Amino acid sequence: DARVTQTPRHKVTEMGQEVTMRCQPILGHNTVFWYRQTMMQGLELLAYFRNRAPLDDSGMPKDRFSAEMPDATLATLKIQPSEPRDSAVYFCASGFPGIYNEQFFGPGTRLTVL
Amino acid sequence: AQSVSQHNHHVILSEAASLELGCNYSYGGTVNLFWYVQYPGQHLQLLLKYFSGDPLVKGIKGFEAEFIKSKFSFNLRKPSVQWSDTAEYFCAVNGAAGNKLTFGGGTRVLVKP
Repeated sequence: DARVTQTPRHKVTEMGQEVTMRCQPILGHNTVFWYRQTMMQGLELLAYFRNRAPLDDSGMPKDRFSAEMPDATLATLKIQPSEPRDSAVYFCASGFPGIYNEQFFGPGTRLTVL
Repeated sequence: AQSVSQHNHHVILSEAASLELGCNYSYGGTVNLFWYVQYPGQHLQLLLKYFSGDPLVKGIKGFEAEFIKSKFSFNLRKPSVQWSDTAEYFCAVNGAAGNKLTFGGGTRVLVKP
């Protein structure tokens, strides 16, 4: 049963610390998405990659957030330095462009910045 | 640019009641349409999707949705809800040119036992 995995599932950190979240897309999927979900803003697309190249990162605060795909099996989202307003659930999703363009979501990383 | 609007933010209903959640989108071209569900504390899961063909789409768990092109709508329905349908429901759309999804704001559904 192929699924997207994310680590860590929960992260509590202090303001100013660096946070790295990891995502393993479903094998064979070449598109990876990072979303942030908060009560106030709902589900926001931060960035997405195709074939490891960033296609759109316009939703991401550039000064503190960075997203990379070191290889086809790993995507990372880094926040440095973290701030309390970054507290949210961060979801990774993967997909493969085709007829349905469906995205498969991971379980999320719940981040709390104190 | 694509946009998706879900007019109901919260819905409360009793078991066995019928459910209909509204979704309207704006996009000038051919679209793929999706409904995702997020159960409490869980990730988003696909309920159903529309690509082409029959505008009435059947999904999992007894859900269905109807694509009405003239109204730019893709409303979700279930004839008889269960307590386990308590969740947040998201409508999403993407243009056929790529697979970037635009999500609506979500509708929280609470089904009272």
